[in-house]
Amino acid sequence: SQQGEEDPQALSIQEGENASMNCSYKTSINNLQWYRQNSGRGLVHLILIRSNEREKHSGRLRVTLDTSKKSSSLLITASRAADTASYFCATDAGYGGATNKLIFGTGTLLAVQP
Amino acid sequence: EAQVTQNPRYLITVTGKKLTVTCSQNMNHEYMSWYRQDPGLGLRQIYYSMNVEVTDKGDVPEGYKVSRKEKRNFPLILESPSPNQTSLYFCASSLSAGAIYEQYFGPGTRLTVT
Repeated sequence: SQQGEEDPQALSIQEGENASMNCSYKTSINNLQWYRQNSGRGLVHLILIRSNEREKHSGRLRVTLDTSKKSSSLLITASRAADTASYFCATDAGYGGATNKLIFGTGTLLAVQP
Repeated sequence: EAQVTQNPRYLITVTGKKLTVTCSQNMNHEYMSWYRQDPGLGLRQIYYSMNVEVTDKGDVPEGYKVSRKEKRNFPLILESPSPNQTSLYFCASSLSAGAIYEQYFGPGTRLTVT
């Protein structure tokens, strides 16, 4: 079963706007990662946030983690058409569970209109 | 250039005809993994390997085999493909097991079984 579920499933915005998406997961975790996938291509790692961190930044990306709510958010500021892609969160299975693999959510499809 | 390569990129085959999808990484990574991606289901792990000669089942291993005779290679074998194995397949590698490590993905293999 899926550990992470992204919300919304699809998002359409105009270039220059901010894109925000959420990931909820079921069990406690050690680490959470976000990946981007351009249509039909391999996933590309964006950012990792550890369970003892609350926020991380990387360029135009801001990731937050709320372990009490078992959720994470990814914010892309000043979106560009090139940001059009699917975005996935991935976690381990948490304390007491399998830590030797990533479990991916079903993704948010982001379309940035020029 | 650090990369994960997969071959073939596209494959159309018939039910029951054995096939192998190759995967190779040049980053000296210990951990390698195979995923399949289907609409609405996200990425699901098929098999993974912690190191040479160490492989284990993921979430959807039925109908697949793997081997890890060398550190750089991790082929996926379908002994008797069936139409429900029509999917987009990704190989990935990381420095070691665990969600703390970024996974590097190959470009994908689109398989159609008729």
